[in-house]
Amino acid sequence: AQKITQTQPGMFVQEKEAVTLDCTYDTSDPSYGLFWYKQPSSGEMIFLIYQGSYDQQNATEGRYSLNFQKARKSANLVISASQLGDSAMYFCAMRAPTGANSKLTFGKGITLSVRP
Amino acid sequence: KAGVTQTPRYLIKTRGQQVTLSCSPISGHRSVSWYQQTPGQGLQFLFEYFSETQRNKGNFPGRFSGRQFSNSRSEMNVSTLELGDSALYLCASSPGWGGSTDTQYFGPGTRLTVL
Repeated sequence: AQKITQTQPGMFVQEKEAVTLDCTYDTSDPSYGLFWYKQPSSGEMIFLIYQGSYDQQNATEGRYSLNFQKARKSANLVISASQLGDSAMYFCAMRAPTGANSKLTFGKGITLSVRP
Repeated sequence: KAGVTQTPRYLIKTRGQQVTLSCSPISGHRSVSWYQQTPGQGLQFLFEYFSETQRNKGNFPGRFSGRQFSNSRSEMNVSTLELGDSALYLCASSPGWGGSTDTQYFGPGTRLTVL
């Protein structure tokens, strides 16, 4: 079975500063994908970034980067130069390529508030 | 490209009724997955459809069912509604080639309230 753990309480960051959102995972699958999604108060889940378990380099997408430490089973999201529009819930998720674990398994999410 | 669309956006039903939710995936995407989101249980996987066949299923009672049409549009049905079915129901589409890189893109959700 797969498990995603997000234990940080609500996070606060000053506008234009960087923030790291923590995510640890557990799986017995040798191959898997890690995802981060953003959910504003409107409810829609917005895909941010993907990291494959065999990728040698950390993924980056604009202001988002993923600090992937495979041995520690962590996949932390780093948001640089925070903006007011970054205030939202952030979910870490994972999926295996096939089988029952090919569904997305989500963590409980972290609330991020950006202060002006 | 248009995103995932879900209808209706809001729904109010009473216990015992049934409800059908609809999802239209991104053009070209062949896989549709459904998730239930509640404050207590978080995001839970319901089922995935690919080429009109259920490819994966979560741990939900048989009252929850779904189907997919030849144009990849999907519907989800909940029969004999219970108060605990009140939730945000999210639909996600992906190309469907499988593998962990098959990124899912979500719709805006349908917020169901059961009275």
